[in-house]
Amino acid sequence: NAGVTQTPKFQVLKTGQSMTLQCAQDMNHEYMSWYRQDPGMGLRLIHYSVGAGITDQGEVPNGYNVSRSTTEDFPLRLLSAAPSQTSVYFCASSTGTGDHGYTFGSGTRLTVV
Amino acid sequence: GEDVEQSLFLSVREGDSSVINCTYTDSSSTYLYWYKQEPGAGLQLLTYIFSNMDMKQDQRLTVLLNKKDKHLSLRIADTQTGDSAIYFCAESMNDYKLSFGAGTTVTVRA
Repeated sequence: NAGVTQTPKFQVLKTGQSMTLQCAQDMNHEYMSWYRQDPGMGLRLIHYSVGAGITDQGEVPNGYNVSRSTTEDFPLRLLSAAPSQTSVYFCASSTGTGDHGYTFGSGTRLTVV
Repeated sequence: GEDVEQSLFLSVREGDSSVINCTYTDSSSTYLYWYKQEPGAGLQLLTYIFSNMDMKQDQRLTVLLNKKDKHLSLRIADTQTGDSAIYFCAESMNDYKLSFGAGTTVTVRA
């Protein structure tokens, strides 16, 4: 039972490069989300999806794109990396019933130089 | 977003009780959560409370909810070194969005 798997665990990018952070879950959860964690700021929602083919913006969506072609996968794309996107990124999934909360991946630590 | 507020640090002696406090702003929140994050790891759901409850106990963990004051607390009894971590309070207004506090770093000293 893998839960939520994120790859890579670490990544260094140069300003202007693009990349995709991968997220996969094997729990058949409908809801998936991407958060970024910055020191002293908790986690902030970037994008979320309530099912395959359905995505929407969270509170800090600029510079990121997502798609949800399958229930299992929810990749996050950085279009043109900026130093302000240096952060730890977490993917999470949920049944949507509230009483189970969200299951989080172990995170991707991204540094943009 | 910072609609949820927590104190940033707590130091506690091993064997004592820890109390972590949190205030939230949205009275329509349906679930309130406590997550634990150990160094280099993701967030682990510790416990949650439904908004129509006042208290929930789960082994060493006790959650108290004061809806009037929008105050949530997590008490950890008999705190151990393995409890050293960052603890996040989070509220859910719907099924897809969690709003987190900045996290409380708990340090357990011998």
